[in-house]
Amino acid sequence: QLQLQESGPGLVKPAETLSLSCSVSHDSLRRSEHYWAWIRQPPGRGLEWIASIYKSGSDYYNPSLQSRVTISVDRSKNEFSLKVKSVTAADAALYYCARHKTNFFYGDGFDIWGQGTMVSVSS
Amino acid sequence: QSVLTQPPSVSGAPGQTVTISCTGSASDVGSVYDVHWYQQLPGAAPKMVIYDTNRRPSGVPDRFSASKSGTSASLVITGLQAEDEADYFCQASDSSRGASKVFGGGTRLTVL
Repeated sequence: QLQLQESGPGLVKPAETLSLSCSVSHDSLRRSEHYWAWIRQPPGRGLEWIASIYKSGSDYYNPSLQSRVTISVDRSKNEFSLKVKSVTAADAALYYCARHKTNFFYGDGFDIWGQGTMVSVSS
Repeated sequence: QSVLTQPPSVSGAPGQTVTISCTGSASDVGSVYDVHWYQQLPGAAPKMVIYDTNRRPSGVPDRFSASKSGTSASLVITGLQAEDEADYFCQASDSSRGASKVFGGGTRLTVL
């Protein structure tokens, strides 16, 4: 059974860069034909797609966040990561990693989710 | 401000039927792309309950169904049960922005 596990710092200072990782278990990013994604949820609010990536490194971003975020994949570690630079209080959220059910360009959804990692922003 | 519009809350008694709407535009819900629905129980990660507009993942009861017409989509839950109390989110892809993913703001379902 595929499992995703997020990891992150928990607390980040304003203007700093947030770094998150998602470890993939019971599947291989090297072989998988799926796309992989980061999604966030501010406390008490809705979901926001941040970015997606394929094993080749092809990446896709939410236009509203594109200037500040970078998604990457490390096939040797079987994990993918997200960096958000110049964070503000608006970036405080529960960050989820997830697997696309099929192909990003097919208009698909997310069939497997991690449990999420909470990120707070404070000096 | 979410791209897709959902009612903040709906409610129903056990055994009843509820419908949750999701309204978008011609470039997302009204496009060729499918709509997907997620259930989020309190303190848990979202779980896909409908994919490709009207298909149920394995293990999701057939009490859950969905459809799409024009720029609106709907999730229907029949025979409400206490365990259905959760937040529900719709999700689509934006054809005007390279298939970027967009979500609704979520609907809190209360089982009375």
